[in-house]
Amino acid sequence: EAGVAQSPRYKIIEKRQSVAFWCNPISGHATLYWYQQILGQGPKLLIQFQNNGVVDDSQLPKDRFSAERLKGVDSTLKIQPAKLEDSAVYLCASSLAGWETQYFGPGTRLLVL
Amino acid sequence: SQQGEEDPQALSIQEGENATMNCSYKTSINNLQWYRQNSGRGLVHLILIRSNEREKHSGRLRVTLDTSKKSSSLLITASRAADTASYFCATGSLQGAQKLVFGQGTRLTINP
Repeated sequence: EAGVAQSPRYKIIEKRQSVAFWCNPISGHATLYWYQQILGQGPKLLIQFQNNGVVDDSQLPKDRFSAERLKGVDSTLKIQPAKLEDSAVYLCASSLAGWETQYFGPGTRLLVL
Repeated sequence: SQQGEEDPQALSIQEGENATMNCSYKTSINNLQWYRQNSGRGLVHLILIRSNEREKHSGRLRVTLDTSKKSSSLLITASRAADTASYFCATGSLQGAQKLVFGQGTRLTINP
């Protein structure tokens, strides 16, 4: 069974630029998550999708972050414009349901200069 | 919002010894999960324990859950160098949306 795929693996941008991350979850998983993980901290949930709909985006900085999940499968997370404090690893995960085991992708390491 | 708090923040032991990490949380939960993260990698699920369970085993891992104290522990027996990683607890709170909230993690180092 293929795991969660993410791209790119690394990205370096300057502040005020925009960036987009892509995630392909495990086939059949209805729930998809985007987390932000700052060095030395635990993952912080940015947004959770159930199929096409948003379950929770309470910690998503909506003035600069946006995410979508087209056709209930792939998802993209965008930051526009980026700030220095957005430097982090962005993790995508998927699961069969909200409370169940989550499967994580390798993450995208973002550095904002 | 942070639900789980791991203790200690860092732990260093000799290979072959047992490692114990603790997690405390604040609200009633559906389940509690433990994940491992090797440096620079994604998280890997280790074990899930439901609120009506008290203990669960998986290989060298033993997890306990005390819902009255709102706490859990992860025991790794006969540690190996490959166990060096960060360990996170994640709680599925009964309040709000069905999601997991991760703690800040315990950094475990196994010395050869």
